[in-house]
Amino acid sequence: GAVVSQHPSWVICKSGTSVKIECRSLDFQATTMFWYRQFPKQSLMLMATSNEGSKATYEQGVEKDKFLINHASLTLSTLTVTSAHPEDSSFYICSAPTRSSGRAYNEQFFGPGTRLTVL
Amino acid sequence: TQLLEQSPQFLSIQEGENLTVYCNSSSVFSSLQWYRQEPGEGPVLLVTVVTGGEVKKLKRLTFQFGDARKDSSLHITAAQTGDTGLYLCAGPVGLGTSYGKLTFGQGTILTVHP
Repeated sequence: GAVVSQHPSWVICKSGTSVKIECRSLDFQATTMFWYRQFPKQSLMLMATSNEGSKATYEQGVEKDKFLINHASLTLSTLTVTSAHPEDSSFYICSAPTRSSGRAYNEQFFGPGTRLTVL
Repeated sequence: TQLLEQSPQFLSIQEGENLTVYCNSSSVFSSLQWYRQEPGEGPVLLVTVVTGGEVKKLKRLTFQFGDARKDSSLHITAAQTGDTGLYLCAGPVGLGTSYGKLTFGQGTILTVHP
């Protein structure tokens, strides 16, 4: 299957600083990527859709000025958590859809996630 | 809004037992996907079901898509400790969409004890 990587895998930062998380599709191009947030023992919560060449689309309740998304190329999307606070501590996961030839549906491939801890 | 209701939320069983996880909706989905996630990792796709009534098997895992394409189930036979994890069902938002956006069920945390 397709491979999606994330960097860093974990990060600890001080309150008030900004943190950038990268999401890369390694063997396919992704015009669209998705960013999720996940709390312990819970399901994934979609934060935003990252669109290559245009603005990201944010889900209701997600602050776009807080979570900056840039889809710089067909293989890279970045999520920047600005002025991070302890309540932003979470597991952040990105994903990218890809469609195999002959299939009428997309398959979604997820990155390994980034554990953010804000002190 | 297309919602997926997943049950049970928690499942704790002994090795060798069988189990079923359900994923239900009042909406029709063009396809449903099942993922397994281990702590500290991203979800891994197990299967995609597309056709109503479809049954797919992956070793001891059996996935079924309802005839009306509104529900799906995951059955594990003779569970092993390695099956422990968070199981998620997901479906594309919007019938026939090729966009890739997914809605997820609440997840089922499965713990298999030796």
